[in-house]
Amino acid sequence: GAGVSQSPSNKVTEKGKDVELRCDPISGHTALYWYRQSLGQGLEFLIYFQGNSAPDKSGLPSDRFSAERTGGSVSTLTIQRTQQEDSAVYLCASSPRPFGGEQYFGPGTRLTVT
Amino acid sequence: AQSVTQLGSHVSVSEGALVLLRCNYSSSVPPYLFWYVQYPNQGLQLLLKYTSAATLVKGINGFEAEFKKSETSFHLTKPSAHMSDAAEYFCAVSVMIGNEKLTFGTGTRLTIIP
Repeated sequence: GAGVSQSPSNKVTEKGKDVELRCDPISGHTALYWYRQSLGQGLEFLIYFQGNSAPDKSGLPSDRFSAERTGGSVSTLTIQRTQQEDSAVYLCASSPRPFGGEQYFGPGTRLTVT
Repeated sequence: AQSVTQLGSHVSVSEGALVLLRCNYSSSVPPYLFWYVQYPNQGLQLLLKYTSAATLVKGINGFEAEFKKSETSFHLTKPSAHMSDAAEYFCAVSVMIGNEKLTFGTGTRLTIIP
């Protein structure tokens, strides 16, 4: 079956521009997670959705980062006024339930801020 | 808060030799533990997980891991390395409080010597 998909796969943007990254989770998965993978920080949690609500936003690094999820499905991570330190691979994962469910990862979006 | 330490950022083994990747965790509550594998330019794939059902966990591709509470360890092993095992491996921990966001180790890059 279809796995988690993310778009775009690569994004190059100029410093100061806004970007939107999209995640399509596995159909029926209620839990959705965003992570960031960078050389300096490794893999770090950003935000968790259960349905359309985000009970845990503790990993968002600044108020330039926001995310939403609509219809209990697609999620968008938005980074405003991008900085060079935002360059990283952004990974999305979904899980069939918040507890005891495996997380299935998408291929990621590689963001490069020039 | 929970954390994971992976000993050895790079491990090299000969084809056919034992693979041992080390992971130690810290958690104030019973943890869930995971091993993920990442091939170049791909997302994370779950190898195996421990969720308190059994201390010896078997995963895909011939990998297994043993949960040792007394040593706070969850080392990954494979009896005989194959060239296709070359990848980066991440140990991760989560706890069932609020949500199951993953806290990752820094990763171990496994190289297989022909």
